[in-house]
Amino acid sequence: SVLLYQKPNRDICQSGTSLKIQCVADSQVVSMFWYQQFQEQSLMLMATANEGSEATYESGFTKDKFPISRPNLTFSTLTVNNARPGDSSIYFCSSRRANTEVFFGKGTRLTVV
Amino acid sequence: QQNVQQSPESLIVPEGARTSLNCTFSDSASQYFWWYRQHSGKAPKALMSIFSNGEKEEGRFTIHLNKASLHFSLHIRDSQPSDSALYLCAVILSSSSFSKLVFGQGTSLSVVP
Repeated sequence: SVLLYQKPNRDICQSGTSLKIQCVADSQVVSMFWYQQFQEQSLMLMATANEGSEATYESGFTKDKFPISRPNLTFSTLTVNNARPGDSSIYFCSSRRANTEVFFGKGTRLTVV
Repeated sequence: QQNVQQSPESLIVPEGARTSLNCTFSDSASQYFWWYRQHSGKAPKALMSIFSNGEKEEGRFTIHLNKASLHFSLHIRDSQPSDSALYLCAVILSSSSFSKLVFGQGTSLSVVP
């Protein structure tokens, strides 16, 4: 399995500011995935982050708005730039090993006011 | 681009009932099929998976897969109030740790005593 630690657990920020979410794995993992979830809805894959390369973004998510760093095999950060109320949601980091399920961090609940 | 569709959107069943959740996918090359369960305020957690056509049973839960019809399903026997949660089907293209998980829209299940 993979244990993923996210911080902060929750945050409130002002519109127009930026917020950084950190994700740390308990062991080295090849890929980390970031998901966005609005209240009681599905998980939307935002991007895939591999060590040493630029993150690959899914449709509807951009590097300028959600820059992701992956400096080593246990760490990733997601930044929400120019936060808007519409960005208020839960952000999950996740990862998996070959032939296993995807494991999730506990999530970061972001409220933009 | 993988498209995963889930039905129904929500479901209310009495305790003891049999519950069926459905999922269709668009990419016939998909290899791995998962059901995740998410209780309110928690991270999603894998419930069951299947990799080949047929049926797999674990306790009160059974998963069916028919790759030819691009469909898989989850059946819960003797539903319990503790089964109340958001159920998410998910599809992954390969066993590689690079391969991303794509989720359906989710089914909100309420089991009433």
